[in-house]
This record gives sequence, C-alpha cells and structure tokens, in this order.
Amino acid sequence: GAGVSQSPRYKVAKRGQDVALRCDPISGHVSLFWYQQALGQGPEFLTYFQNEAQLDKSGLPSDRFFAERPEGSVSTLKIQRTQQEDSAVYLCASSDREGRDNEQFFGPGTRLTVL
Amino acid sequence: KQEVTQIPAALSVPEGENLVLNCSFTDSAIYNLQWFRQDPGKGLTSLLLIQSSQREQTSGRLNASLDKSSGRSTLYIAASQPGDSATYLCAVREGTALIFGKGTTLSVSS
Repeated sequence: GAGVSQSPRYKVAKRGQDVALRCDPISGHVSLFWYQQALGQGPEFLTYFQNEAQLDKSGLPSDRFFAERPEGSVSTLKIQRTQQEDSAVYLCASSDREGRDNEQFFGPGTRLTVL
Repeated sequence: KQEVTQIPAALSVPEGENLVLNCSFTDSAIYNLQWFRQDPGKGLTSLLLIQSSQREQTSGRLNASLDKSSGRSTLYIAASQPGDSATYLCAVREGTALIFGKGTTLSVSS
C-alpha cells in the first residue's frame, strides 16, 4: 500500500511569508506526528494528533506554528511570518494505533528554505 | 530530559566488513527504541523496532540489541555493501514523541 506522502517536497519562501505543508498519512492510521529536522541534526518533535484531536503541541517552537487535522486524516502544518531559522526539513509520521509501543512510519519530508 | 547520543558521528569501511553502530540514552524509562536509515534528501526508513521488554531484533543482515538498564543499543550490520551507505538514526520513545540522536553517517566503499 501507499506510504506517508508529503507536499510540496520543496518550498522556498521569502522571510515574512506564510507557508502550508501537507501530510497524507497511511490510510487508516490513527496517530500523526510532525517533526522538524535542521541540517546535520536528528528530527525534533513538534506536535501529535490522535484522529482529529491535537493531543500534544509541546514541541511547536512559537505561536507562528499551527497544525490541524480536521477530519482525522490529512494534516496541514502552517507557519506564519516565516523566519530564516524556520529553514529545515519538516517530516510527518503516522502509526496505526494509539499505543506508545507502535512503530512510526515517516514520509519523505518537505524541505523549507526561507530567504 | 532524555538525551540520545550516537557514536561515531561518521564511519567509513570497505565492502564486506561487519560493523557496529552505537546509541546511548540517558533515561531508561522508554517504551521502545527504533533504528532508522536516512538517505540524502530523503525521509526516514524504519529498520528495526525493539520494545522495552525485548533484548534484540533481527532483519536480514541487521541485528539490533537493547540494554535498557545501561541505556545502550547497538546496530550490527553484517557483510556491509555500498548500498548500505546512508545516515543511521537511533530514536527512543518515552512519551508521545520519538527522541532522536544526531545519527551516524556510514560510507561503504567498493
């Protein structure tokens, strides 16, 4: 079956612009995660959804970052008034159950460059 | 606060060698540990998942071990091939999120 997909794969934004990044999880997966990966670093957690409910947003770096998953499937990560420090790869992952022992499957990521 | 460290940061080996990648974590209260592979410009591919109650997992030429009490995991790659060249990431799950190390970049020469 299809894996996690993300779009766009690459995004270049001018400082101050708003951007929206999309994630399509594996069909039927309950849990969805967003991570941010800076160059040369491991991914860092941003936020977690269980179906349509955002249960953890402790990793969002500022109130310029907003995520939603209104129907419990596709998710969008929105960054308002982008800054150069927002440049990173944004990874989405999903898992098929709610338990914490479940494997997370990652998408290819969206590489955001803020000029 | 959980911290995950991977040693070495980079490794170069000739084709055919067996090798070990190391991962250590500071808090042993984890649910599981997962090893990933990341190719340049790509996302993460899950290699092995070890639950906290398990000691090891095997998949083909890969074997991962977990010693929760000492906060260590190793990924053993047998008979390395040029196609194994990638960055290998270790991640532990102690709550909602995975907490990652910075990775080991492996280069296998033919």
